[in-house]
Amino acid sequence: KAGVTQTPRYLIKTRGQQVTLSCSPISGHRSVSWYQQTPGQGLQFLFEYFSETQRNKGNFPGRFSGRQFSNSRSEMNVSTLELGDSALYLCASTGQGAGNTIYFGEGSWLTVV
Amino acid sequence: GQQLNQSPQSMFIQEGEDVSMNCTSSSIFNTWLWYKQDPGEGPVLLIALYKAGELTSNGRLTAQFGITRKDSFLNISASIPSDVGIYFCAGHGYSGGGADGLTFGKGTHLIIQP
Repeated sequence: KAGVTQTPRYLIKTRGQQVTLSCSPISGHRSVSWYQQTPGQGLQFLFEYFSETQRNKGNFPGRFSGRQFSNSRSEMNVSTLELGDSALYLCASTGQGAGNTIYFGEGSWLTVV
Repeated sequence: GQQLNQSPQSMFIQEGEDVSMNCTSSSIFNTWLWYKQDPGEGPVLLIALYKAGELTSNGRLTAQFGITRKDSFLNISASIPSDVGIYFCAGHGYSGGGADGLTFGKGTHLIIQP
């Protein structure tokens, strides 16, 4: 079955702009979570959505937001971009049940200049 | 917040050698996951562990979920060049009304010398 699909793969934005990233989870998976990966901080949890509701949130400022649609596709948005937002943004998809594992997409590389 | 200590940070080994890396946590997790990430790609799941004491193999890879639920190790036997990459442990817990996000270790960078 198809994996987790993220778009775009690469993008460059200017400080102060906003960006929207998209994620399509594995078919049948209703949980989507987002992570930020940087060389300094490693992989950090942003938020998780299940059935269009945010279930959990990491320790990031309000400039980072997300949403999930009825088909389980998810978007995350970062407003008022800062240089430090340059990172690989990863989307992960999880099936239902505590025993289901978490699969990642290839990520969206964001560079803020 | 929860933290994972992953060691070693990097490993320089010869092809054919066995590799061992581990993670310890200050908190209990319900699931331990091990991922491998190649440059420019997302993490790829290697092994998932769901029960304390569980020992699971996937080809040349073996991982165990510690009895205390605060640690896990990953072993790779007879390393080959394609094993090069960064290996991450991740713990997954449940609290409140839903699943917590994954907490990741800082990664073990595996380098295989010819």
